[in-house]
Amino acid sequence: KNQVEQSPQSLIILEGKNCTLQCNYTVSPFSNLRWYKQDTGRGPVSLTIMTFSENTKSNGRYTATLDADTKQSSLHITASQLSDSASYICVVRSNNAGNMLTFGGGTRLMVKP
Amino acid sequence: DTEVTQTPKHLVMGMTNKKSLKCEQHMGHRAMYWYKQKAKKPPELMFVYSYEKLSINESVPSRFSPECPNSSLLNLHLHALQPEDSALYLCASSPRGTGVYGYTFGSGTRLTVV
Repeated sequence: KNQVEQSPQSLIILEGKNCTLQCNYTVSPFSNLRWYKQDTGRGPVSLTIMTFSENTKSNGRYTATLDADTKQSSLHITASQLSDSASYICVVRSNNAGNMLTFGGGTRLMVKP
Repeated sequence: DTEVTQTPKHLVMGMTNKKSLKCEQHMGHRAMYWYKQKAKKPPELMFVYSYEKLSINESVPSRFSPECPNSSLLNLHLHALQPEDSALYLCASSPRGTGVYGYTFGSGTRLTVV
């Protein structure tokens, strides 16, 4: 069964600090992995998308890594801001006939002043 | 235009009401999706339309009825809902049904059934 596990479930950090969110998956065959940011009551917004051959991808203060061998990804947030408070969702797409997405449970990040 | 627009943003309806959620995109995407999201849970797929044809129905109760009038519009008709159907309903689109090039999500409709 395809699964995506994220850790931690929730995280509180001080403004200006860095943090790293983890994503482990068992989706097969793998196509790509996306990190989304979702503010409460709003739709998810894509941060990065990574394919099998990509190890690192950055988008401003967000840097995602992918290790396709160990089936792990991380999202590193640098110099956090209050506006980074949100849920961060790891989503993995498989190359099967349905081409569907498997969502992780998300990490709820709170940045405090 | 790189957005998926959902209306209304908020909806409160009684269990005997009939209402519709609307979703629109003008990116030329040929696949559109409805997701349901409960608080603190990931989105759950409900329906997929690919090239204006319903391709996936994830065993959704018949009180939810999707409609795709054309390649830019996706509706979700609601009738005789239950309080447990209260959730954030998200629409998404992708260039093709394979979703290879990424999904764009709308901001969602917050539905409350009373």
